[in-house]
Amino acid sequence: QKEVEQNSGPLSVPEGAIASLNCTYSDRGSQSFFWYRQYSGKSPELIMFIYSNGDKEDGRFTAQLNKASQYVSLLIRDSQPSDSATYLCAVNSNNAGNMLTFGGGTRLMVKP
Amino acid sequence: EAGVAQSPRYKIIEKRQSVAFWCNPISGHATLYWYQQILGQGPKLLIQFQNNGVVDDSQLPKDRFSAERLKGVDSTLKIQPAKLEDSAVYLCASSWTSGSSYNEQFFGPGTRLTVL
Repeated sequence: QKEVEQNSGPLSVPEGAIASLNCTYSDRGSQSFFWYRQYSGKSPELIMFIYSNGDKEDGRFTAQLNKASQYVSLLIRDSQPSDSATYLCAVNSNNAGNMLTFGGGTRLMVKP
Repeated sequence: EAGVAQSPRYKIIEKRQSVAFWCNPISGHATLYWYQQILGQGPKLLIQFQNNGVVDDSQLPKDRFSAERLKGVDSTLKIQPAKLEDSAVYLCASSWTSGSSYNEQFFGPGTRLTVL
C-alpha cells in the first residue's frame, strides 16, 4: 500500500512569514512529486512539481525533494492571507498509468 | 480554454438509491480520472481512463460503482445502491496523456454527494 503522509494541521503563520509544509512517502520507486492547493469548497489546482533532488523555486514557492529520506516539502515565502488553504502533496510512482497518490493535506492559515 | 465540466454540482439522495455523475474533460485530453474526496481527506483515485480504455480501477468498489467513457470523451460515474459512507465530493480530472510522469491533472469543480 503506497502511502503519502502529511500533518493535517492547521499550520498557523503570521502574514509575511515563511510557511513550511512537509510530506513523506513510502514508495522508494516514486519519480515525481506534486503540490496542489485546495481552497475550501473548491477543487485542487497545481502549484508546482519536482522530480530531481534539491530545490525548485517558482516565485514565492520553493519545493524541496530528498529521495533518500523520502521527503518532499513546500516553502511559501512572504505568506499572504490569500495563501490560506489546504495543501495536498501527491506522488507519482511511475507505474503504468502514472497515477497520483495524494496525502491527506495540510491546512494552512495565514493570519494578518 | 474551457475547463473540466461536471454535473450536477450537488446531489442529495437516500441510502440504497442510485445516482450518476457526468464529466466532460478539457478538449483533447486523452486521460480522465475520477476521484473520491471525503471531507478532511485527500482525493482517492477511483478509476483512470486512457481514451475509452480503463488504465486502473483497483480502488473502485465494483459491487456498487461503475464508470464508462464510451467514446473517449465524456464520462459517467454511477453508484447503485448508495451507502452512507459514499457521502463525499466526486472530482473529475483530465490530462493530455498518462504517458508522462509530469502530467498536470486539471480538476473539475466536483459533485458534492450527500447520502441520507
